Amino acid sequence: AQTVTQSQPEMSVQEAETVTLSCTYDTSESDYYLFWYKQPPSRQMILVIRQEAYKQQNATENRFSVNFQKAAKSFSLKISDSQLGDAAMYFCAYRSFNAGGTSYGKLTFGQGTILTVHP
Amino acid sequence: DVKVTQSSRYLVKRTGEKVFLECVQDMDHENMFWYRQDPGLGLRLIYFSYDVKMKEKGDIPEGYSVSREKKERFSLILESASTNQTSMYLCASRRRTKTGELFFGEGSRLTVL
Repeated sequence: AQTVTQSQPEMSVQEAETVTLSCTYDTSESDYYLFWYKQPPSRQMILVIRQEAYKQQNATENRFSVNFQKAAKSFSLKISDSQLGDAAMYFCAYRSFNAGGTSYGKLTFGQGTILTVHP
Repeated sequence: DVKVTQSSRYLVKRTGEKVFLECVQDMDHENMFWYRQDPGLGLRLIYFSYDVKMKEKGDIPEGYSVSREKKERFSLILESASTNQTSMYLCASRRRTKTGELFFGEGSRLTVL
């Protein structure tokens, strides 16, 4: 079974600074997806960024980028130019790439990291 | 805009009561999920459904059941609520493709007294 570990329960950053959230995972599969989700206070979870394991290039979405180290099974999220609206709980998640069957689509989540942004 | 709607944001129930949590999506998604979110534990999968009337157990199904009679609706049932089921419950849905994105509802916070 796959596991996802976020070792930082809380992080903080000054507005306009850069912060990196860590995530490690364990799997025996070679193809999979990795995700970062954002859960703002009292609001629904939304997808921030996605990485396909077979792609060597790190995914980027505006101020959000990842550092994907497949051999190390590490998947960190970097938020540049942090904004007050970035304050949220962030979850790292894993999904198998299996080609068919009824079970694909299940995500395995990490414990979450609460990010505080200071003005 | 895609929408996953959970019927109740906040519920307070007594031990032993039967609890229904309803989730409706308007995107014609095949796959629907119920997760439980607890501090320090992240999200854990309770049950999921890949089609009408089809369901599979997730990682923590004990004490829960589900129903999917219509494609758009996925219900989580606590037959006899217990205090250790006090939690935030998140419903999600996605299209059954390799790249289908997961969409979440706003969550239902259940307190069992």
